[in-house]
Amino acid sequence: EADIYQTPRYLVIGTGKKITLECSQTMGHDKMYWYQQDPGMELHLIHYSYGVNSTEKGDLSSESTVSRIRTEHFPLTLESARPSHTSQYLCASMGIYEQYFGPGTRLTVT
Amino acid sequence: ELKVEQNPLFLSMQEGKNYTIYCNYSTTSDRLYWYRQDPGKSLESLFVLLSNGAVKQEGRLMASLDTKARLSTLHITAAVHDLSATYFCAVDRTYGGATNKLIFGTGTLLAVQP
Repeated sequence: EADIYQTPRYLVIGTGKKITLECSQTMGHDKMYWYQQDPGMELHLIHYSYGVNSTEKGDLSSESTVSRIRTEHFPLTLESARPSHTSQYLCASMGIYEQYFGPGTRLTVT
Repeated sequence: ELKVEQNPLFLSMQEGKNYTIYCNYSTTSDRLYWYRQDPGKSLESLFVLLSNGAVKQEGRLMASLDTKARLSTLHITAAVHDLSATYFCAVDRTYGGATNKLIFGTGTLLAVQP
């Protein structure tokens, strides 16, 4: 059982607000990822990190930013939320052979 | 452009029947993953296939990988209602898994009818 956590699980917020989605894992994995997924659709990689102080943008252009100051923690920040940011955000970390996913944050921007 | 295509996108099947979901990919990867997602939930890992010819089975599901054909299959045997979910395949975009960056397929929504 993978130990990867995301908070909040659900968030409804108004346009223009700054938000941070939290992701943490207790497995000591170096590689971590953020995906965006619209309902019933495929996952798109928006950010990844190969270790502390390493962050890169993924395939899908995103206005969010990430940081990796500690191995276990990989937060995602939106400086000014917009309705187009409404989606599910999934965090994952990479073990030896597979990626483990957190429970996700379902974000709604009104 | 790297692509991962699944078919069918939607599958409605009766309990007790057999069926296969196909996953084609365009990169020369040797690592393929199958995940299950229930509505409103996160992804649950089903299989990790790491070499050509790999075959793994768990319960009524069996997955295989043919890296030469760039094809993986997920076979469902004697389906039951509990298997209803969306199934995703994902491919590591580099041979040997150097980057561990995955490309996901479009997903197959499986509905098993009694």
